[in-house]
Amino acid sequence: GENVEQHPSTLSVQEGDSAVIKCTYSDSASNYFPWYKQELGKGPQLIIDIRSNVGEKKDQRIAVTLNKTAKHFSLHITETQPEDSAVYFCAASKGNGQNFVFGPGTRLSVLP
Amino acid sequence: DAGITQSPRHKVTETGTPVTLRCHQTENHRYMYWYRQDPGHGLRLIHYSYGVKDTDKGEVSDGYSVSRSKTEDFLLTLESATSSQTSVYFCAISELGQSNTEAFFGQGTRLTVV
Repeated sequence: GENVEQHPSTLSVQEGDSAVIKCTYSDSASNYFPWYKQELGKGPQLIIDIRSNVGEKKDQRIAVTLNKTAKHFSLHITETQPEDSAVYFCAASKGNGQNFVFGPGTRLSVLP
Repeated sequence: DAGITQSPRHKVTETGTPVTLRCHQTENHRYMYWYRQDPGHGLRLIHYSYGVKDTDKGEVSDGYSVSRSKTEDFLLTLESATSSQTSVYFCAISELGQSNTEAFFGQGTRLTVV
């Protein structure tokens, strides 16, 4: 089955700097890659996603890149702010509704 | 926010007792999922449903059963709770046929088995 790895497990950056989180997946049939942000005591919330027919997607300060050949995708957050501090999860799915396989998560701390 | 309600939000139970967690949605989504979240493991799928009375196992299904008698409700049952089932449980919903097949999550249920 699908396996998703995520690095780093923790990341600390200064406010205003950029943060990059990387994920790899194993199943070449996966074609949908969402990123979730989880704040303390809450459920994960989608922040951005990308499909396998697209190499990059941006939404304001957040971007995701996908390399299908290498089976890896990355989350880029620019101009980080303290409210970006949270746990971020990547996931991979075949888009058929059967399952979303999640990475173990990255705890991002943005230091003021 | 997607209309997903999990109940209870917190529960403490004793080893060997049965426990049922409820997920209720108002979005009429076809797919519903139960995940557990543990430190270092992210979110792991327990069971999922692709329609009324249609369910299938996930990667950590041992010790859990599910039922879906109505589109809006998905129940997770621990037949005989063990300490290893202490975790935070999340319900999620998804729908196919839309531009985004994202999963929407509930607020979670924190279960402690003592």
